[in-house]
Parts: sequence; structure tokens; C-alpha cells
Amino acid sequence: GNSVTQMEGPVTLSEEAFLTINCTYTATGYPSLFWYVQYPGEGLQLLLKATKADDKGSNKGFEATYRKETTSFHLEKGSVQVSDSAVYFCALNRGSTLGRLYFGRGTQLTVWP
Amino acid sequence: ETGVTQSPTHLIKTRGQQVTLRCSSQSGHNTVSWYQQALGQGPQFIFQYYREEENGRGNFPPRFSGLQFPNYSSELNVNALELDDSALYLCASSLVGTSGTDTQYFGPGTRLTVL
Repeated sequence: GNSVTQMEGPVTLSEEAFLTINCTYTATGYPSLFWYVQYPGEGLQLLLKATKADDKGSNKGFEATYRKETTSFHLEKGSVQVSDSAVYFCALNRGSTLGRLYFGRGTQLTVWP
Repeated sequence: ETGVTQSPTHLIKTRGQQVTLRCSSQSGHNTVSWYQQALGQGPQFIFQYYREEENGRGNFPPRFSGLQFPNYSSELNVNALELDDSALYLCASSLVGTSGTDTQYFGPGTRLTVL
């Protein structure tokens, strides 16, 4: 089957600290991988994506590399800010015409000044 | 480019009632997907509509139904509401082409509370 496993939160960091949120997946075929972010009281915003092995997605200082050999798509940022506080969701899409997204449970990130 | 919009923002219903949620897709998109996000959980796929037809369904009972209109907007209908239906309902639009489904873009959601 298709599934995504994220590291359990919450994650609490000081401003300018290094962030890693682990994500591993199980999928049939060749999925596309995504990170979405959800700020309090809002819907999901696409943060970054990668559509094939070894692709690196990046946006707003966040990066994630599609690793087929380890079935992983870990999210990283070198220096977090208070404004990065949100819930982060890893997701996969099998890339067929049925664009169903399979989400992880989300990881709450809180950044303190 | 117009983003995905949803209405209403919040809704309170009682058990057994029926509810209709609405979604306007992003300009240029032809597909709408609906997700249910329970508190503290990741979104769960309900179904997807493409060319006004249901194009796939998650593990939700038939009392969850939908429509897609010629302008690609969509409705989610839930009959016989249960307490466990309380959640954030998210609509996502995307463009399906010959290479499959492009990225899905989400609306702000409708918060449904069932009492």
C-alpha cells in the first residue's frame, strides 16, 4: 500500500537552530513527494516538491531530497525563524490521473526567539 | 491567478442533519479533491472529481457525496451527520493532463462542528 511516516512531534527549537523533520514512505510505482505547511487556523500551503529520485525541492530556505534507496524525503532548514512555527506534513502522490495525496500525521514545529 | 476558495468558513450542525460545503477551484484547474482533517491528524482523502465525474474515492461511506460543475467548482454533501464528522474539510484543485496530476493547491478549509 501507500503510506507516509513522519517523525513524531512536537519539535521545539530556538531561533537560528538547524531543523530536520524525518519522513519515510511506502509506495507502489514512482511517487511524487511533497511537503505542505499549515499555519494556525489555515489550510495547507505547498512548501516544496520533488517528482523523481535524487530531485531536490527547495523553497524559503527549506530543502528536501528524494532518496529512493532509503525511501525518504527529510525536510531541512539551516536556520529557523519564529515565523516558521507551524505544522508540517509530508505527502506522496502516485502520479497517476487520480491525484490522491497520502499524508503523514504532521509534525508541530515551535520556534522560540 | 485566483486561488482556491471555500465556503462557509465555519459551520455548526447537529447530529442527523445534512450539510453542503462549497469550493471554487483555482483558475485553469480541472480537478477538485476533498479531504477530511480531524484534529491533530493528517488530511484523509474523501474523493476526487474530474470532468464532473467521481474519479476515485477513499474509505468514506456513501453518505459523503459530491458534485463538480461545468466551471469546475464543487460541492461536498454529508448526510446523517455523526459526531465523528467534526473536522476541517479541505478542498484542493489541480490540473490533470496527459502526464498525470499536477500539484494540488488547497483552500483555507471549512471547519465543521457536529453537536
